[in-house]
Amino acid sequence: NAGVTQTPKFQVLKTGQSMTLQCAQDMNHEYMSWYRQDPGMGLRLIHYSVGAGITDQGEVPNGYNVSRSTTEDFPLRLLSAAPSQTSVYFCASRLTGTGLYEQYFGPGTRLTVT
Amino acid sequence: GESVGLHLPTLSVQEGDNSIINCAYSNSASDYFIWYKQESGKGPQFIIDIRSNMDKRQGQRVTVLLNKTVKHLSLQIAATQPGDSAVYFCAEIRARLGGYNKLIFGAGTRLAVHP
Repeated sequence: NAGVTQTPKFQVLKTGQSMTLQCAQDMNHEYMSWYRQDPGMGLRLIHYSVGAGITDQGEVPNGYNVSRSTTEDFPLRLLSAAPSQTSVYFCASRLTGTGLYEQYFGPGTRLTVT
Repeated sequence: GESVGLHLPTLSVQEGDNSIINCAYSNSASDYFIWYKQESGKGPQFIIDIRSNMDKRQGQRVTVLLNKTVKHLSLQIAATQPGDSAVYFCAEIRARLGGYNKLIFGAGTRLAVHP
């Protein structure tokens, strides 16, 4: 198993540009989520999905869109990049069900918006 | 607002000593807590978890203690090794009415192990 994979590892965008951060997992996990990590802020939940076709907002959803057309993939779209979106982005997945909370994280995407 | 946070941003220990990383939480309704380890340039890695109906749980060289009275969580690492150097996060599960549980992370604390 590759686990959770993310592409790209690094990205630089200009303000106003759009892009999609890719996330895929091969563990057949129902639950997938996106976090951003900023210095001194820990990880904050952006969006999450409990299965194909189902998504919901986390703590900081503004400026981001997600979709879940398959169990494996959960892309995160930045519609119009802003410097405030400079961060490290982590995708995570886990099984759903009572007591199944262990999340597996991808290696992260470091995004810089100039 | 409610949050999960950590008392110490940086903890320096000597190799072989025991480490204790502390975390305070404010949501008394949270019923599940997790500790994650994050090494430089990598995603967080699950270490150990504990339910609110427990006071203590032990893993390999790690122990998590939960004090619900004062809403405090700690991670103890025995015989700390250089490979333990990382940032450690506590996280809580907050149940959402009519929705799915979300994992809320604290700010993190850095553990530096010196030879």
